[in-house]
Amino acid sequence: GEDVEQSLFLSVREGDSSVINCTYTDSSSTYLYWYKQEPGAGLQLLTYIFSNMDMKQDQRLTVLLNKKDKHLSLRIADTQTGDSAIYFCAESTQAGTALIFGKGTTLSVSS
Amino acid sequence: NAGVMQNPRHLVRRRGQEARLRCSPVKGHSHVYWYRQLPEEGLKFMVYLQKENIIDESGMPKERFSAEFPKEGPSILRIQQVVRGDSAAYFCASSPPASGIYEQYFGPGTRLTVT
Repeated sequence: GEDVEQSLFLSVREGDSSVINCTYTDSSSTYLYWYKQEPGAGLQLLTYIFSNMDMKQDQRLTVLLNKKDKHLSLRIADTQTGDSAIYFCAESTQAGTALIFGKGTTLSVSS
Repeated sequence: NAGVMQNPRHLVRRRGQEARLRCSPVKGHSHVYWYRQLPEEGLKFMVYLQKENIIDESGMPKERFSAEFPKEGPSILRIQQVVRGDSAAYFCASSPPASGIYEQYFGPGTRLTVT
């Protein structure tokens, strides 16, 4: 079945780069997504990548996709304390009618 | 421009009562999705609705749960005879007609506590 796996925690210092990793199972996903959830809030779409791309850069965010290994990563450059949140990786279902989320990676940024 | 609105934000119910969760999508969005987030878990898809139609309910428990998105008014997720295991955060998302799941906007969620 479809599944998305992520590491649960990541701790970095302010100013360092953060790399959050994700593996997924459904190779037919057209898009793969990264969402951010701050405490007590809903999910905010950070970025997404089309499955025929290897990399996408958006300001401090870089998404890398290794389709062969079904591996997705999110790199946050110059991590700030405001980046502390839970980051969810997601792929679409085979039917294309919903998203499948990983359990989320809690990013903790210390000053 | 208001985003997705959900109410109530917090809901406490005793076992056996009914819970009604409301979701008002972004203006102009005709697709609504409901997800459930159990403690320390990711979001799990429950149901996808368009106006007056259920498109995909493959994630809905077979009993006690129902959802609707009427022609007028918000989408409602209804849980009958709640049990402690229903305690979770319930998120609604909406998307415009042309984008589907590629452009989902999430609400702040309703946190249901069953005592």
